Amino acid sequence: DARVTQTPRHKVTEMGQEVTMRCQPILGHNTVFWYRQTMMQGLELLAYFRNRAPLDDSGMPKDRFSAEMPDATLATLKIQPSEPRDSAVYFCASGLGQGYQPQHFGDGTRLSIL
Amino acid sequence: DQQVKQNSPSLSVQEGRISILNCDYTNSMFDYFLWYKKYPAEGPTFLISISSIKDKNEDGRFTVFLNKSAKHLSLHIVPSQPGDSAVYFCAALNSGGYQKVTFGTGTKLQVIP
Repeated sequence: DARVTQTPRHKVTEMGQEVTMRCQPILGHNTVFWYRQTMMQGLELLAYFRNRAPLDDSGMPKDRFSAEMPDATLATLKIQPSEPRDSAVYFCASGLGQGYQPQHFGDGTRLSIL
Repeated sequence: DQQVKQNSPSLSVQEGRISILNCDYTNSMFDYFLWYKKYPAEGPTFLISISSIKDKNEDGRFTVFLNKSAKHLSLHIVPSQPGDSAVYFCAALNSGGYQKVTFGTGTKLQVIP
């Protein structure tokens, strides 16, 4: 079974440090999504890419967050500088971008900012 | 502004009985709805979906009902099994969009053996 791969699975770091989370989408998928899971908001969409081009990052705090797709096999989400309120589980998902095909999620990166 | 709401954070059901998970939405532009299931330390996985042109979709033990006038959908699991214990997310999208999916906050289902 093809899977979305996220690294690292866990990250603990101190406030102010740069954090980079990586995602390898399923081969052949042309859409990539970054979500953040919080208790209050559920799964919040942070950014969306289609064919490696960013289409929507309105859910992302622009001053400290950035998302890129250097190539079709890698998506990154960076936080610089990190803050304790960024502590959450971050999920990457990929999809075919056709009709109503469901997204496939990775297992997430659990981020703790001390 | 939470456009997709799951007002029950948790639900406990006896094995073999029916589990009913509810979801309400506010955006009338949503025309496709999905349920995802999530186990601890794993990502959500797609479970079942329904288009707004239907009011029911069934897949084995899982049935989703859609009431457009009430902007309400529900997921029925019959019979419930211990392996169904997970967090269930309701999600909605607008087909005029780009697959942007709006998720609810989730309901944690516990099926008691």
